[in-house]
Amino acid sequence: GAGVSQSPSNKVTEKGKDVELRCDPISGHTALYWYRQSLGQGLEFLIYFQGNSAPDKSGLPSDRFSAERTGGSVSTLTIQRTQQEDSAVYLCASSPDGTGGYEQYFGPGTRLTVT
Amino acid sequence: GEDVEQSLFLSVREGDSSVINCTYTDSSSTYLYWYKQEPGAGLQLLTYIFSNMDMKQDQRLTVLLNKKDKHLSLRIADTQTGDSAIYFCAERRTGGGNKLTFGTGTQLKVEL
Repeated sequence: GAGVSQSPSNKVTEKGKDVELRCDPISGHTALYWYRQSLGQGLEFLIYFQGNSAPDKSGLPSDRFSAERTGGSVSTLTIQRTQQEDSAVYLCASSPDGTGGYEQYFGPGTRLTVT
Repeated sequence: GEDVEQSLFLSVREGDSSVINCTYTDSSSTYLYWYKQEPGAGLQLLTYIFSNMDMKQDQRLTVLLNKKDKHLSLRIADTQTGDSAIYFCAERRTGGGNKLTFGTGTQLKVEL
C-alpha cells in the first residue's frame, strides 16, 4: 500500500517568508509526527498528533512553528518568518493506534533551504 | 538526540558481520528501534525490541538489548553493499508519549 507522502520534496525560500509543508499519512494511521533533521542538531521531534487529543507540541523550537491536522488525516507544518537556521529536512511519520510497538513509518521528507 | 549515543562511522568488508552500537540514558524506555537511512531517502524502520526482551532476530538482523548497561546493538550478518547507509537507534520513553528520541546515527560503509 501507499506509504507516507510529503510535499514538496524540496523548497527554497527567502528569509522572512512563510512556508507550508504537507504530510499525507498512511491510510488508517491515527498518529502523526513531525521531526526535523539538520546537520547540527540531528533528528529532533517537533510535534505529535494522536486522534482527537490535543497535540504534543513540546518539540516546536519557537512560536514561528505551528502545525495542524485536518480531519484526522493530512497535516500541514507552517513556519512563519523563516530564518536560515530553519534550513533542514522535515520528516513526517505516522503510526497505527493501539497497543504494540507503535512503529513509526517515515515519509521521504521535505528539504527546506532558507536563503 | 544527545541522550542517545552512537559511534559515527563503521567500515566492514562485504560478507562480514557488522555490529552497530547504541547507548541510551533513560531506563524507562519501553521500546527501542533501529532505522536505516539511505542517501536522499527517508527513514526505513528495520526492527524494534520491547524493553523486557534481551534479543530479537529477524533474518540477517539481530538486536541485543542489555538493559542494565542501557546498551543496544544491531548485528547485520553477511553484510552487503546495499547495507551501506546511516543507521539510527531510537527510544520511546515511558511518559514521553509516542515520540522517539534518536541517536546521532552511524554511517556504515561496506567495502568490496
